[in-house]
Order: sequence, then C-alpha cells, then structure tokens
Amino acid sequence: KAGVTQTPRYLIKTRGQQVTLSCSPISGHRSVSWYQQTPGQGLQFLFEYFSETQRNKGNFPGRFSGRQFSNSRSEMNVSTLELGDSALYLCASKGLETQYFGPGTRLLVL
Amino acid sequence: QKEVEQDPGPLSVPEGAIVSLNCTYSNSAFQYFMWYRQYSRKGPELLMYTYSSGNKEDGRFTAQVDKSSKYISLFIRDSQPSDSATYLCAIPRTGGGADGLTFGKGTHLIIQP
Repeated sequence: KAGVTQTPRYLIKTRGQQVTLSCSPISGHRSVSWYQQTPGQGLQFLFEYFSETQRNKGNFPGRFSGRQFSNSRSEMNVSTLELGDSALYLCASKGLETQYFGPGTRLLVL
Repeated sequence: QKEVEQDPGPLSVPEGAIVSLNCTYSNSAFQYFMWYRQYSRKGPELLMYTYSSGNKEDGRFTAQVDKSSKYISLFIRDSQPSDSATYLCAIPRTGGGADGLTFGKGTHLIIQP
C-alpha cells in the first residue's frame, strides 16, 4: 500500500503571501489530520477532516484553513503568511486505530 | 501544566545499551498511548501503541504504561546507531481511538557506535 504523500516538499514564501499544501492519504483512509511542527512548540494539531467535513480543530488562528475532497485528498491553506508560520507541516492519514504521517512540507517564510 | 511532558534530551548512550524514554501526562481520562520515531527531515513513524496499563513488547521495543502515575515509557534493548532519532509520545486529544493527537516535545536520542 502506498503511504501518505504530500506536495510540495519544500516551499519558500514571503510575508503576506498565501500558500496551499496538498496531502493524499493512504488508499481507503477517509480521515486526514494536519499538524504543524516547529522547534519551539513541537508537533501541534491543526485540524482533522473526515468525509469532506472538518471534525476537529486545534488552537490556531483563522488564517489556517483546510478542505477535503470526495477522494479524501486534502489541502490546507495559510493566508497572510507570517514569519512564525515557518514550519514543517505534516499530514496524517487515519487508520482504524492510529495515524500514519507523510514526509511533510517544509515551509520557509521570509 | 502541559498535557504531555517529555524531556527533550539529547540522550546519548553507547551502542548495545538499554534506552529508557519517558513521558508524563496530566489527564487521567487518557486511555490510549502511542510512540512515534522521527528521523531528521522525515515525518513521524508509528512505533507502538497501547490501550492498557502494563507492558507491550515488539521486537527490541517495549512500551509501558502506568496509569496510576500517569507515566508512559518506551524501552529499547540492544540499541543500534540506526535508533538515533527523535522519539515522540502521543495521546489522542479526547482520550479515545485515533483522534487528533497531543504530542510530547520529543526526546532526541543518540546511539554512539
């Protein structure tokens, strides 16, 4: 079975821009979660989508949003980028009992 | 108090040693515990998960949960240089199943050849 894929792997943006990241879950998995990982805060939960509906949300500002498509692929969007948004963004595909992570998208905001 | 606490290390041990990695958690309602391993510039990889108190073994890895102390541990026997990575404990945010996860900060482990 193919794993979780994320695109792009690396991204450089400037403050004020917006960015869209993509995640394809493991085939058959209907739930996708997004996490932000930074050296200071560690791994933090952003939100979770199941069958195209946001089911859970972490404590992040409204600039962070997401969506899920009927084929379970998911995108997350960050608008009005700030320097502090520089991070590794991880997508996780949820199986019956736990979550499997993709390689992440490393975002650098200049 | 943070929900999940984990010593960031680094923890450096010689090859072949037994490694003990630990986390504490604050919410006694948590029922489900996971350990992930993350190599540099990679996504976290699930190592083990457990529901209950006691020990769960998988090869060189043993996960231990003490719910009375709210303390979880991961032991690595016969440690290898390839075990050098960051180890993260994780607990579902609402205490059940595979919900959004709350992670410890991770312990950076170095196995010296």
